[in-house]
Amino acid sequence: SAVISQKPSRDICQRGTSLTIQCQVDSQVTMMFWYRQQPGQSLTLIATANQGSEATYESGFVIDKFPISRPNLTFSTLTVSNMSPEDSSIYLCSVEAEEGVDGYTFGSGTRLTVV
Amino acid sequence: QKEVEQNSGPLSVPEGAIASLNCTYSDRGSQSFFWYRQYSGKSPELIMFIYSNGDKEDGRFTAQLNKASQYVSLLIRDSQPSDSATYLCAVMDSNYQLIWGAGTKLIIKP
Repeated sequence: SAVISQKPSRDICQRGTSLTIQCQVDSQVTMMFWYRQQPGQSLTLIATANQGSEATYESGFVIDKFPISRPNLTFSTLTVSNMSPEDSSIYLCSVEAEEGVDGYTFGSGTRLTVV
Repeated sequence: QKEVEQNSGPLSVPEGAIASLNCTYSDRGSQSFFWYRQYSGKSPELIMFIYSNGDKEDGRFTAQLNKASQYVSLLIRDSQPSDSATYLCAVMDSNYQLIWGAGTKLIIKP
C-alpha cells in the first residue's frame, strides 16, 4: 500500500504566523485528503486535493485560512495561515491505501501547537 | 446530518478475552465500512474493511456487518495488551463521503 512521508512531525508556532505541512507519497495518487484531529476527538476532513485543480473544501474550512497546493500526483502541501491557539491540533494527510481498494492510509501527522 | 456513532469507552477487557466494538450509522445507502486502529500519538491505521453483510475474518480480527440494522462491529479474539488503542469506525456513505465515528478507547488488562 501507499506510504506517505509527512513533515514536520510537530511544531510550536506563534499566533499570527503560518505553517506549511508537506506530504510526499511513494506512488501516484489521484486524490489526497487533509484532515484535522483535535485532542481526544475524531477526524474532520478539511479538504480534498486533486492534481491540476483547486482543492475542494468542507463546510467550515476556507482557502484563505488553509491554502492547499497539489503540484503533481505524489505531493501536496497544506498551509495553516494566520494561526490562533484554536488551530492547535494534529493535521493528517491521507490517500487511498491501494488502487482499487477502498480504505485510506495516513501520514504520520503533524502536531501543531500555537502559542 | 449523516452520523456514525460509537461508544467512547473506555472498554476494558481482560487479556485473552474477546473484545467487541460496535458502530452504528445513519445513512442506509452506505456501501463501505472500515475499522481503524489509532495508538496514542500515532496516525490511524486501517485494519479491516467490509462491504457485504455477514462476517469477514482476518487473523484475530472479525468484522461483522448488518446493513438491515445499520451496524458494523469488530471482534478481537485473544486480546493482547498491544491491542490497547482507540478504534475508529468509518463509513463511506451514498455520496462517497467518508464519515468518521468518534472512536472507542479499548484497554486490554494483563
